[in-house]
Amino acid sequence: AQSVAQPEDQVNVAEGNPLTVKCTYSVSGNPYLFWYVQYPNRGLQFLLKYITGDNLVKGSYGFEAEFNKSQTSFHLKKPSALVSDSALYFCAVRDRLSGGYQKVTFGTGTKLQVIP
Amino acid sequence: DVKVTQSSRYLVKRTGEKVFLECVQDMDHENMFWYRQDPGLGLRLIYFSYDVKMKEKGDIPEGYSVSREKKERFSLILESASTNQTSMYLCASSSGLAGDLYEQYFGPGTRLTVT
Repeated sequence: AQSVAQPEDQVNVAEGNPLTVKCTYSVSGNPYLFWYVQYPNRGLQFLLKYITGDNLVKGSYGFEAEFNKSQTSFHLKKPSALVSDSALYFCAVRDRLSGGYQKVTFGTGTKLQVIP
Repeated sequence: DVKVTQSSRYLVKRTGEKVFLECVQDMDHENMFWYRQDPGLGLRLIYFSYDVKMKEKGDIPEGYSVSREKKERFSLILESASTNQTSMYLCASSSGLAGDLYEQYFGPGTRLTVT
């Protein structure tokens, strides 16, 4: 089964500084990876996805993610953090089941705190 | 914009009660999902459905059942609520045929407390 790991429960960054939220994956075959964000008291929102092609994927709200096959990583990045970026971030991977269907497996989440 | 709505934001039920959580999406998506979210555990898939009247077990289906009588509506049922089912429940939908999933759109969640 495919899986993702988010090694940091929380990341703190000063406003204006670059931010990175880490994700590593374990898949057989080509990975299909996602990032989602959850703002306080709200459902998850899709940020970006990697299917194939360019290793740098651009998404919503100025976020981007770098796919690195040799390091099996898919880190989320932003050049300049905003206080409003403070939220819970989830990495996820698409997994193919034995019946031919697919599901998405989520990581445990990383809380991002941007300090003014 | 895709809209996924859930019937309640907060729900308090007693142990042993039958609980219904309703989810409706307005984008004609084929696929719908129920997850529970617990601190430190991320999102865990309970059940999913790729078509009307079709359902598949996810990673933690025990104690739950689902119903999908119409394409836009996916219901989660707790037959006899227990305190370990206290959690945030998230519904999601996505496009894609034959189980080929694209990004998911989530509802706001229902925070269920079982006392």
